[in-house]
Amino acid sequence: GESVGLHLPTLSVQEGDNSIINCAYSNSASDYFIWYKQESGKGPQFIIDIRSNMDKRQGQRVTVLLNKTVKHLSLQIAATQPGDSAVYFCAEFRGGSNYKLTFGKGTLLTVNP
Amino acid sequence: NAGVTQTPKFRILKIGQSMTLQCTQDMNHNYMYWYRQDPGMGLKLIYYSVGAGITDKGEVPNGYNVSRSTTEDFPLRLELAAPSQTSVYFCASSYEGQPQHFGDGTRLSIL
Repeated sequence: GESVGLHLPTLSVQEGDNSIINCAYSNSASDYFIWYKQESGKGPQFIIDIRSNMDKRQGQRVTVLLNKTVKHLSLQIAATQPGDSAVYFCAEFRGGSNYKLTFGKGTLLTVNP
Repeated sequence: NAGVTQTPKFRILKIGQSMTLQCTQDMNHNYMYWYRQDPGMGLKLIYYSVGAGITDKGEVPNGYNVSRSTTEDFPLRLELAAPSQTSVYFCASSYEGQPQHFGDGTRLSIL
């Protein structure tokens, strides 16, 4: 069956360090992946996305890497700040209608000052 | 630009009561969605709509109903509230093939 899962439920880093959050997926037909950030009491906020014809995409302080061979993607946050503390979700789409957005359980990132 | 607005933010219901969770978006998105999020879990799709007058079931539709009479509004109806429906409900909207934008949720407790 299809699934989007995360390797670690929690991640604690020091302010200024780089953070890496991992996500595994099982459906080879998935063609679009999104990372969301969810702060306490808020809805998920779009961070960055990547399509299956790419293996890397960079944003401001964030980079997403996609390895289709092992069905794995990661979110790298450079120079992590206290404001980055949140739950991070990866989500996948499959082609055609975009209702099929499947979320993983999330990783709680805690940034220590 | 308010984005996706959900009301109410919090609500406590008794078992068997009914209520409507409101969702409106001002981005002219054609796609709208309702999710529920249980503690420590990801989001599960309840219902979605690809445009006014069109709705379809998601992964967990039982106990819920929706309507989409306008592009902007996508209310979610609970007819007979049950304790299993205690959750945080998120509404989202998007253009086709684009990332979804989420509201800040409605926290619903059923006692």
